[in-house]
Amino acid sequence: DQQVKQNSPSLSVQEGRISILNCDYTNSMFDYFLWYKKYPAEGPTFLISISSIKDKNEDGRFTVFLNKSAKHLSLHIVPSQPGDSAVYFCAASGGRGSYIPTFGRGTSLIVHP
Amino acid sequence: DAGITQSPRHKVTETGTPVTLRCHQTENHRYMYWYRQDPGHGLRLIHYSYGVKDTDKGEVSDGYSVSRSKTEDFLLTLESATSSQTSVYFCAIREPHRREQFFGPGTRLTVL
Repeated sequence: DQQVKQNSPSLSVQEGRISILNCDYTNSMFDYFLWYKKYPAEGPTFLISISSIKDKNEDGRFTVFLNKSAKHLSLHIVPSQPGDSAVYFCAASGGRGSYIPTFGRGTSLIVHP
Repeated sequence: DAGITQSPRHKVTETGTPVTLRCHQTENHRYMYWYRQDPGHGLRLIHYSYGVKDTDKGEVSDGYSVSRSKTEDFLLTLESATSSQTSVYFCAIREPHRREQFFGPGTRLTVL
């Protein structure tokens, strides 16, 4: 059973617009959430994270929002750029084995010029 | 870039042959991980290590073994490769007390 779900396999956005990538989790023990970005033929790279004691974390064009009651987080990219086109993985960790993340299946973002 | 390399980067092998993938880090980090990435499955943990000679199983460890005789090297072995082990394999490292991992460039393995 998936504990971290990214229900949209793909997302297409126009350059300059906002990209919103969503992630849901089921394990209430998760207390730390991360987003990774992956280009083809490369390893994933860490993008941004958020602790469960916060509901928002911002880093430049990237903002992650956490709604603990809904067990939902989202990554906002504003404005979107063609170079943002990649696969984005949501990950969560906490509880038993707390520093080992559980990954979602990823969302492929395409930003059109 | 975190100092992580993986070798080989690409390998084609036949069913039943042994295969060893190597992950090498220059960061002296204690924690190392092996993942596989498959379409529709995201990243799944195979094995991890929390120190020299200290390893444990992950979610999809069947058919895989690991060894860590030095801090800098973490080896993943497929004793007898099967076609279901065709995948892209990623190694990752993590600093103590931090949650984010840093990944290597990956090894694409094809088992015919």
